[in-house]
Amino acid sequence: AQRVTQPEKLLSVFKGAPVELKCNYSYSGSPELFWYVQYSRQRLQLLLRHISRESIKGFTADLNKGETSFHLKKPFAQEEDSAMYYCAPLEGGSQGNLIFGKGTKLSVKP
Amino acid sequence: GAVVSQHPSRVICKSGTSVKIECRSLDFQATTMFWYRQFPKKSLMLMATSNEGSKATYEQGVEKDKFLINHASLTLSTLTVTSAHPEDSSFYICSAPLPLQLNTEAFFGQGTRLTVV
Repeated sequence: AQRVTQPEKLLSVFKGAPVELKCNYSYSGSPELFWYVQYSRQRLQLLLRHISRESIKGFTADLNKGETSFHLKKPFAQEEDSAMYYCAPLEGGSQGNLIFGKGTKLSVKP
Repeated sequence: GAVVSQHPSRVICKSGTSVKIECRSLDFQATTMFWYRQFPKKSLMLMATSNEGSKATYEQGVEKDKFLINHASLTLSTLTVTSAHPEDSSFYICSAPLPLQLNTEAFFGQGTRLTVV
């Protein structure tokens, strides 16, 4: 059974519009959750993690245990936000393995 | 800062030959390395977990004799694709978890695009 779901393969918005990339997980308890981003021709890199509750590049993500969701949000999208975004819970504790969703391609149009 | 370096970034090989991909942890020791494969338009899929000084743990469906993993030191893990076939063409990425006292995130190598012709 799939343990992390990113329902949208492609999300296209205009510059300045709000954006929400959805992520749902099916783990019990409180898994550690991350969002990774991959810009064109660059390595996968960490965007944010729910424990730190920080905002990176204007993105935030709130863990909703009731809905088992960890949606990534940004109030005003920028063209440079165009990239592949992966939601990834950490399975197996602090030295465990990241389980990636299928990813959502965000396209921000001018 | 802590970095994972993967080499080569691109490789083209003939069918039947073997290709070795290296993954190095810089400035930190990695007792564990994860090897992923990314199929076109699909997510990263974990292939195996390499452990320094012991045998790698392979995910179900991954051929151990096809994808040889060696983790000979605390800073180097290698993935060898043996007797490569065109269907092995893919993007391979390694990652290593950082030591507990630093963080629990994983750092990724830049990936290797393998093309088998």
